[in-house]
Amino acid sequence: DIQMTQSPSSLSASVGDRVTITCRASQGIRNDVGWYQQKPGKAPKRLIFSASSLHSGVPSRFSGSGSGTEFTLTISSLQPEDFATYYCLQANSFPYTFGQGTKLEIK
Amino acid sequence: EVQVVESGGGLVQPGGSLRLSCAASGLSVSPYDMNWIRQAPGKGLEWVSYISDSSSSIYYADSVRGRFTISRDNAKNSLYLQMDNLKDEDTAVYYCAITGYWGQGAQVTVSS
Repeated sequence: DIQMTQSPSSLSASVGDRVTITCRASQGIRNDVGWYQQKPGKAPKRLIFSASSLHSGVPSRFSGSGSGTEFTLTISSLQPEDFATYYCLQANSFPYTFGQGTKLEIK
Repeated sequence: EVQVVESGGGLVQPGGSLRLSCAASGLSVSPYDMNWIRQAPGKGLEWVSYISDSSSSIYYADSVRGRFTISRDNAKNSLYLQMDNLKDEDTAVYYCAITGYWGQGAQVTVSS
């Protein structure tokens, strides 16, 4: 199985900050990565697919990059509604696997 | 607007069965692969099962293989998950995911 190691597991930041979350795959997975945002008690929402493509309706302050084994999610200027937990997902081979999650909290 | 709605969750005893349904509106599911993902209380996300657009390819997580069965009915724009021989560790919110759109989840609780 492909392991997705996500870091950091938690992060404190302020409104307006630029933040980056990283996922490393245990083997090469081309660009078959998605990023998801989940708020407490709510379903996850897809932000990014194919490593760098923005899902419909997602603000442009979210961006993704990477290929092979290292992937990043960047939020260019944090907004109050961005404080949530973020997950990466590899969809290259079965079983699909998620990162452990990054909880983004207000500093 | 795309909407995805799961149903069929509930409380069941260990060894029991449940059938989850997922209905989509605002898009046709026919061209798309679909997945079930679950989240145990206080835990992260766990992929459960996949079905291709034509049902020709199906995959399961090791934790559910042999007990869960995924299926779809494109004419009804729906996805299903038959869950048999349920265990305590299957307790979770189950989400249906269709090309990046997720439902609100169905709570499954396995307890005696």
